[in-house]
Amino acid sequence: AQSVTQLDSQVPVFEEAPVELRCNYSSSVSVYLFWYVQYPNQGLQLLLKYLSGSTLVESINGFEAEFNKSQTSFHLRKPSVHISDTAEYFCAVRGRLREAGSYQLTFGKGTKLSVIP
Amino acid sequence: DAGVIQSPRHEVTEMGQEVTLRCKPISGHNSLFWYRQTMMRGLELLIYFNNNVPIDDSGMPEDRFSAKMPNASFSTLKIQPSEPRDSAVYFCASSQTTNNYGYTFGSGTRLTVV
Repeated sequence: AQSVTQLDSQVPVFEEAPVELRCNYSSSVSVYLFWYVQYPNQGLQLLLKYLSGSTLVESINGFEAEFNKSQTSFHLRKPSVHISDTAEYFCAVRGRLREAGSYQLTFGKGTKLSVIP
Repeated sequence: DAGVIQSPRHEVTEMGQEVTLRCKPISGHNSLFWYRQTMMRGLELLIYFNNNVPIDDSGMPEDRFSAKMPNASFSTLKIQPSEPRDSAVYFCASSQTTNNYGYTFGSGTRLTVV
C-alpha cells in the first residue's frame, strides 16, 4: 500500500516569486509519481510524472519536480509563478508492481496555490 | 479523442430522489475510476473497474451507492435515495493499465442534494 502526504493545504505566493509545493510518500514497493493540477471548476489534469531515468522532470509550463528516493519526496517547484498558476495541486503515487490494486493512484489531499498580484 | 466525458455537468435534486451519473471513458482505456471530491474529505476513490469488472468498491460509502460498467465505453454511478451529504463533485477517470501515463479525468458532475 502507498500513502501520500502534502503538508501544506494552502500556499499563498506573490506573482513572479518562486514556489515549492511539498509531497512525501510512503510505499513498500518502487513507485511511479505524478503531479496533477485542478483549475477552478475543472477536472484534474496531469502536470508531470516520474517513471524512471532522470530524477528531475519538467512540465511544459515551467514547473519541475525532483524525485528523491532517500527522502521519499517529490516536491514541485516553479522559479516564477503567474496568476494563471492559481489552482489546486495534487501529488499522486502508484506502485510499480502489477499486483492486485497496483493500478490505483493514491492521491494526497491537495495544496491550493494562490498567486497574489 | 474527446477525453473522458461525464454527464450531466450539474445536477440539483431533492433528498430521496434517485441520481444517476454517467461516464464515457477514453476509447481503448481498460480501467475506470469514480472519485468524489468535497472540501472536507478531499478526493476519495469510490470504486474502480478493470476490463469492466469491479475490482475494488471499498470506497463506496453506503449501499445507497452503486456503480455499473456494462461495456467498455460506459459506466454509471447511482445514488438511491440521495441525501444532502452526498453533495459533492463526482469525477470519473480512465487509464490504460499497460502504460504509465496516469489517469485522464473528466470534468466532473457537481451534485447538489437539497
